[in-house]
Formats: sequence, structure tokens, C-alpha cells
Amino acid sequence: NAGVMQNPRHLVRRRGQEARLRCSPMKGHSHVYWYRQLPEEGLKFMVYLQKENIIDESGMPKERFSAEFPKEGPSILRIQQVVRGDSAAYFCASSDDTEETQYFGPGTRLLVL
Amino acid sequence: AQKVTQAQTEISVVEKEDVTLDCVYETRDTTYYLFWYKQPPSGELVFLIRRNSFDEQNEISGRYSWNFQKSTSSFNFTITASQVVDSAVYFCALTLYGNNRLAFGKGNQVVVIP
Repeated sequence: NAGVMQNPRHLVRRRGQEARLRCSPMKGHSHVYWYRQLPEEGLKFMVYLQKENIIDESGMPKERFSAEFPKEGPSILRIQQVVRGDSAAYFCASSDDTEETQYFGPGTRLLVL
Repeated sequence: AQKVTQAQTEISVVEKEDVTLDCVYETRDTTYYLFWYKQPPSGELVFLIRRNSFDEQNEISGRYSWNFQKSTSSFNFTITASQVVDSAVYFCALTLYGNNRLAFGKGNQVVVIP
């Protein structure tokens, strides 16, 4: 049973470019969560999605960040016009309908030059 | 809002020693889940254990054990007979029932010296 898949594992962007991070949940899971890990801030919740719906985006920055989980395909976290402060590890997690335990992917390390 | 505190930042132990990680949490809700996750040097986050707020029974799973005490809002985690592969950052986390947002502590860096 494959775990949560994230790609790319490493992503380098220049300031002003767009970053797209992909997440495929575990088989049978329909709930996806995104977290960001910054060196001094730790792991912080960003957004919670189910298929075609954003359930909770209370942790998402107001500008430049968006997330989707389409009916078909992976969940996408999109960061427009990246800045150096966006450099971080971005983790995706998924859970089943009990929503009790979130299983994490390996993360995407974003570096903004 | 819920809060998780892991006071110890880095803990070094010699292989085969036991190591206990402290976690204190704050929440006004009565129904919640507590977790421990491990982040090895390779960077992924690995789920270790989950406890429900209504179940204070402490258990042992292999070399892992945990001590959940609602009276003191603590959820401590012990690794028995540590091994070098246990070297990692360990995160305590809390989520409210029906909320889904994991609130993480800042983590404990465990270094096991051979």
C-alpha cells in the first residue's frame, strides 16, 4: 500500500516565479492537508481539502498561495511570485474518513533564490 | 486555541539508554487526539502513536511507551534501549475532534551516541 506521494522532492525557483507542489494521498484517503515547516517556526497547518472542496484554509497566507484537490489527480499547492521567505519544507498529509490520523508524505523542499 | 510545548530542545543519550520526551498541551476542549511523529535526518515525517483524550490507558509498543495524564495535560514518550537509528526530531501534536488542524510542538532533537 503506497504511502503519501509528493513531488518534486526538491524545487528551486527564482524570486517571482511560480511553484507547484503535488500530493497524491494514500489509497483510500480522501482528505488532504498541507503543512509548512520553517526553520524557526516549526510545523504549521496551512489548508485542509477534500475532493473539490477547501474545508479549512485558516493557515494559508492571504496572498499568492492557493490549493486545490480536483476530482481527478493530485492535490496541488501553488505559490505565485515566490519570495525568499517562501523557502521551506512543505508537507502533505492524508487521512481516511475517520480523520483520526494524518499520514505524511516525504515533503517538498522549496528553495527560492 | 490549542498549544503544544516541548521544553527540551536537544537530548543526547548513549546507545541502550532510555530517553523520555516531555510534552505538555493546552486546550479547552474535552475531546481531542494526541500524537507523536518522528522526523529522521532524511526529512520525512513518520507517524508513531495516537491517543484519544478519553483513553488514558498507557501502553507499550515495542521499544516505545507513552504516559498520558489528563490531570497534568502531559503526553510523555519514552524510547527504551535507544539505538542509533532513533536519532531524529520527535514532534508531539494535538488535534481537536472534528477540527483536523494538527498543532505541533517545536520538537525534540534526539541524538543517540554509539
